[in-house]
Amino acid sequence: AQSVTQLDSHVSVSEGTPVLLRCNYSSSYSPSLFWYVQHPNKGLQLLLKYTSAATLVKGINGFEAEFKKSETSFHLTKPSAHMSDAAEYFCVVSDYGNQFYFGTGTSLTVIP
Amino acid sequence: EPEVTQTPSHQVTQMGQEVILRCVPISNHLYFYWYRQILGQKVEFLVSFYNNEISEKSEIFDDQFSVERPDGSNFTLKIRSTKLEDSAMYFCAINSGGASYNEQFFGPGTRLTVL
Repeated sequence: AQSVTQLDSHVSVSEGTPVLLRCNYSSSYSPSLFWYVQHPNKGLQLLLKYTSAATLVKGINGFEAEFKKSETSFHLTKPSAHMSDAAEYFCVVSDYGNQFYFGTGTSLTVIP
Repeated sequence: EPEVTQTPSHQVTQMGQEVILRCVPISNHLYFYWYRQILGQKVEFLVSFYNNEISEKSEIFDDQFSVERPDGSNFTLKIRSTKLEDSAMYFCAINSGGASYNEQFFGPGTRLTVL
């Protein structure tokens, strides 16, 4: 069975400091993993995805994530937070694309 | 990136009424999905639809729900006899198959409020 655990429900960082949003997954197959961002009253936007190619994945807006099979992790990072990064972030695992399993989300606050 | 629109953006209905939520992909796609997000909770899978048939559904997707592509383009989610607990954000997603078969593109969502 597939599942995702987002270890922090809320993360607060100062503008200009690094961001780390943690995600651990459980999957019976070689998983596809995604990070989506949801700004207030908006839909879900794909930040980046891992689909068994390079383990370090670069996404939009300076975000990247590293797939670590030994740790079953797919943490999202960004070197320097921007005010516009404040949003809800969802880690998602997929089994061959037919169903997505969402984590509970991490709310990111960026302090000026 | 494929575009997906959803109508209406916000639907308010009385308990017991039927609602139809619409998803309109801009281009042709094979796979369609509905998800819902109750306020403050995580996004939950409802149903997937392929080749004009339901391919997978969750336990949430009971007899109260149905999906169809009435005109080969729009993809609809019908909720019969709405309940208060149906109040949520409903997202449509599409997957075009091929090289990006495991990537889903989400619409902006329909916020359903049941009074």
